[in-house]
Amino acid sequence: GAGVSQSPSNKVTEKGKDVELRCDPISGHTALYWYRQSLGQGLEFLIYFQGNSAPDKSGLPSDRFSAERTGGSVSTLTIQRTQQEDSAVYLCASSPGTSGGWETQYFGPGTRLLVL
Amino acid sequence: GQQVMQIPQYQHVQEGEDFTTYCNSSTTLSNIQWYKQRPGGHPVFLIQLVKSGEVKKQKRLTFQFGEAKKNSSLHITATQTTDVGTYFCAGAGSYQLTFGKGTKLSVIP
Repeated sequence: GAGVSQSPSNKVTEKGKDVELRCDPISGHTALYWYRQSLGQGLEFLIYFQGNSAPDKSGLPSDRFSAERTGGSVSTLTIQRTQQEDSAVYLCASSPGTSGGWETQYFGPGTRLLVL
Repeated sequence: GQQVMQIPQYQHVQEGEDFTTYCNSSTTLSNIQWYKQRPGGHPVFLIQLVKSGEVKKQKRLTFQFGEAKKNSSLHITATQTTDVGTYFCAGAGSYQLTFGKGTKLSVIP
């Protein structure tokens, strides 16, 4: 089926505004991950969902960041009161969730966020 | 927590030269995965290594997993311009993957 999709592909916002980023994982994948990639940098883990278990939020950089996953499928990453340092590409990935959190991950195209 | 270090951060090679990137973990890994991210693209899975000392090949790419399962390498023979991108290793620890910061490869035609 279709791969991981993310929307919007690009988002420009003003400092202080809230933004919501959406991720649609591959159908049937129970594990979902969010990463942040600043320009030219590596992947910074943000949060991990596995089925109905409590998410691993250990990578969220501040309490302005939150994420939810409704119905075990679509996920939304919310950034409140955006700051310029939040500008980055936000990548979502999913995996089957049958072999633990270290399965092959399938990445979406990302949302490029620019905070002015 | 688990840390995965990758070197070098950048590598510029002349087309036709070989290229190697190295990955080291602070802890023993269950498996290690390699991903490639083309400029402007997203990471795409290349391969997974599971066994101690395992070596796998994909055309000009050779992947190796260390005997102690704490390090890995990716070697590209005779680079081509299509090899350009950032190569990430990702180490699987207790329950999740930890990505290295990647090696950005530039190939000069």
